[in-house]
Amino acid sequence: DQQVKQNSPSLSVQEGRISILNCDYTNSMFDYFLWYKKYPAEGPTFLISISSIKDKNEDGRFTVFLNKSAKHLSLHIVPSQPGDSAVYFCAASGQGAQKLVFGQGTRLTINP
Amino acid sequence: EAGVAQSPRYKIIEKRQSVAFWCNPISGHATLYWYQQILGQGPKLLIQFQNNGVVDDSQLPKDRFSAERLKGVDSTLKIQPAKLEDSAVYLCASSEGPGTASYNEQFFGPGTRLTVL
Repeated sequence: DQQVKQNSPSLSVQEGRISILNCDYTNSMFDYFLWYKKYPAEGPTFLISISSIKDKNEDGRFTVFLNKSAKHLSLHIVPSQPGDSAVYFCAASGQGAQKLVFGQGTRLTINP
Repeated sequence: EAGVAQSPRYKIIEKRQSVAFWCNPISGHATLYWYQQILGQGPKLLIQFQNNGVVDDSQLPKDRFSAERLKGVDSTLKIQPAKLEDSAVYLCASSEGPGTASYNEQFFGPGTRLTVL
């Protein structure tokens, strides 16, 4: 049972434009959501997070939106830069547990 | 601040052999995790330690996988005997303990890529 889903395996965006990565979840007990970024041969690195009490969190070029009724979150990157090319993972946790459930990842490619 | 260290970075073994991975978490982090990431999938939690006690090992194949965290610092993950389907990247992560500001933020090591032939 895939509790966290990233339905787009890949996304290609022009440099300077907005990148939008999507994530859906099924478990209504999740109350904390995170995005991780992964370069080849490296471990995932934390990017941004959001608690279920909020619907938006912003950090520089990165903004995460949470729609609890739709069980959907998205990561917006604007403007997109070549260094943003990586695999992005959505993850969720809940009920006070630190255990993270990850999506399958979306490979983002920023074209010059 | 030093990150999470893992070794070896790569390992190739024959099926039915045994293998061990080592992890040194960020200093002071009470919680340590081992994840398995199969190609094309997201990381899947195998085991979570709080200091040197196991919090969650529900997805650890206990007939062949074992893990320990002696003295609540370093940890080792062992597979014996290995199967072809164990080919994956094994990631170690650590985080601060419950009640801290960054409780939910996990810091990952570079991983060990295991190939079972």
